[in-house]
Amino acid sequence: EVQLLESGGGLVQPGGSLRLSCAASGFTFSSYGMSWVRQAPGNGLEWVSVISGSSGSTFYADSVKGRFTISRDNSKNTLSLQMNSLRAEDTAVYYCAKGRSSGGTCYTDFDYWGQGTLVTVSS
Amino acid sequence: DIVMTQSPDSLAVSLGERATINCKSSQSVLYSSNNKNYLAWYQQKPGQTPKLLIYWASTRESGVPDRFSGSGSGTDFTLTISSLQAEDVAVYYCQQYYNIPFTFGPGTRVDIK
Repeated sequence: EVQLLESGGGLVQPGGSLRLSCAASGFTFSSYGMSWVRQAPGNGLEWVSVISGSSGSTFYADSVKGRFTISRDNSKNTLSLQMNSLRAEDTAVYYCAKGRSSGGTCYTDFDYWGQGTLVTVSS
Repeated sequence: DIVMTQSPDSLAVSLGERATINCKSSQSVLYSSNNKNYLAWYQQKPGQTPKLLIYWASTRESGVPDRFSGSGSGTDFTLTISSLQAEDVAVYYCQQYYNIPFTFGPGTRVDIK
């Protein structure tokens, strides 16, 4: 059974940093691209970042480029998102999502989502 | 960036009746080399995480009831719920994965009339 468990969310002041983690199990982690998708309270879904299975490719939404860094440790089946220079508009539930297509491609839809971790940026 | 729009914003349908949601992309998401539309539909029930319903615009994800169907190609797509059930109350999102940044539609809320 595929499981994705996010952690690391919390309350942080504007300009602060936070590191999110996603522990994956139930599938061959290195064979799938992984994404972070966020949802601000009461709002829709916003894709944040994606990393290929081999970590060879990473991409970001313009809204987080230069501030967030996605990474993965295939030996530990863990996905991470380092978030720096946080802003109020980064407040959201952050989901890690597994790419459906194997081969490690970034260009895929998302067949499994974690339960999400809430990040609140406020003074 | 590819902009995704959905219509209507919300709809209320009687139990057992058909619900139709439209999604339009600002540019084609049909990849000519494999003739696949890079378009997915997700369902998000209140208080729950999104769930993949349809990928490649018309392929139903395993375990998804066959009352859900997707159609369309290029820039215009439709999600149809053929006979609405109470458990289908949710917000439905389309998403393109043809280009990065991946983009979602704003969502369509489906309720029972």
